[in-house]
Amino acid sequence: GDSVTQMEGPVTLSEEAFLTINCTYTATGYPSLFWYVQYPGEGLQLLLKATKADDKGSNKGFEATYRKETTSFHLEKGSVQVSDSAVYFCALNNNTDKLIFGTGTRLQVFP
Amino acid sequence: DARVTQTPRHKVTEMGQEVTMRCQPILGHNTVFWYRQTMMQGLELLAYFRNRAPLDDSGMPKDRFSAEMPDATLATLKIQPSEPRDSAVYFCASGLGTITGELFFGEGSRLTVL
Repeated sequence: GDSVTQMEGPVTLSEEAFLTINCTYTATGYPSLFWYVQYPGEGLQLLLKATKADDKGSNKGFEATYRKETTSFHLEKGSVQVSDSAVYFCALNNNTDKLIFGTGTRLQVFP
Repeated sequence: DARVTQTPRHKVTEMGQEVTMRCQPILGHNTVFWYRQTMMQGLELLAYFRNRAPLDDSGMPKDRFSAEMPDATLATLKIQPSEPRDSAVYFCASGLGTITGELFFGEGSRLTVL
């Protein structure tokens, strides 16, 4: 069945460092891909999405490109801030009601 | 600003007590999901509804958990009797199904069973 695999965390960075969180997926057809972020004590919220191959989703300085050839949707940010510390979830929807989530990657950014 | 509303935000109860969590989905959304999040298990799907009909509750312990949607503006998750292992954060999410694929989450109900 469909699945999402994320890199293990935590990812620990200094402020202004470059961030990459890897996400790969297994799915038939052409799923939509999402990144959700969960700040401490809050629910998950949509960070960005891409609905077809080669689309780039972007928001708040974060970017991810839908790569069909490598079945990947890696999250990147050029310069992280302490306020970006959160758990990041990669997810896919393959034309159903449900989102299939990865296990989440915790990001810790230190000043 | 449309949002999913969950109550209570925090609940502390004793083992054996009944617990009911409530969720008001975003108006117009036709799918509603209940998730449970713990440090050990991560995010688990418990149950979901489309147009108020339960479609999948395979993730839910049937003997003590029940989920219902008495109307389009209210979804409930009930635990009876509660046990310490039910301590977790319970999230409700709603969406438009395959139209957009994305879900909107509430802020969660943190349950502690002593």
